[in-house]
Amino acid sequence: NAGVTQTPKFQVLKTGQSMTLQCAQDMNHNSMYWYRQDPGMGLRLIYYSASEGTTDKGEVPNGYNVSRLNKREFSLRLESAAPSQTSVYFCASSEYRGSNNQPQHFGDGTRLSIL
Amino acid sequence: EDKVVQSPLSLVVHEGDTVTLNCSYEVTNFRSLLWYKQEKKAPTFLFMLTSSGIEKKSGRLSSILDKKELFSILNITATQTGDSAVYLCAGTDNAGNNRKLIWGLGTSLAVNP
Repeated sequence: NAGVTQTPKFQVLKTGQSMTLQCAQDMNHNSMYWYRQDPGMGLRLIYYSASEGTTDKGEVPNGYNVSRLNKREFSLRLESAAPSQTSVYFCASSEYRGSNNQPQHFGDGTRLSIL
Repeated sequence: EDKVVQSPLSLVVHEGDTVTLNCSYEVTNFRSLLWYKQEKKAPTFLFMLTSSGIEKKSGRLSSILDKKELFSILNITATQTGDSAVYLCAGTDNAGNNRKLIWGLGTSLAVNP
């Protein structure tokens, strides 16, 4: 009963390093999302993918890139990490059924620190 | 600008108390309101409300939406220490696929034994 799986769970980077956060879901959902969560700022959408083969910017996309590798996997890449990107990152997925909204289901998060 | 505001920001109660958490929203072309519980890790889904006045219930938790006054409440009766968490609410617009969630900052609930 895995749901949404994120790796790694923790990571420490130096400024300027790059890394990719991985996310996979086994619920056959069409849509996937990347959020960051910071104290006092709540959850903010970075990028989303409405369906396989499409990606769109969210509220805070600068400094990030994404790849929807297939229906299951959606990765988030930091090309040149900055201290401002220190955060907890959550991946989520949801089913898309025409006009019917379906709730998003979240992974356990990746705690990322940039020194 | 669309926004969701939760109150109170934090709350401390004793086991057995009943609590009411509030969520007001201003969302253009509003579609639905969702409640999540976040403990140490992932937010977990509680309720999705789309119709005004219809209560949704799960055990000791219940929630209702008022689309006229633009708010929702989450009630927890007979609280337990396991209810300690941050409770998040989010509104969606009528985009049709739940991709745009407008999140509140959450209410941090602590239930003391």
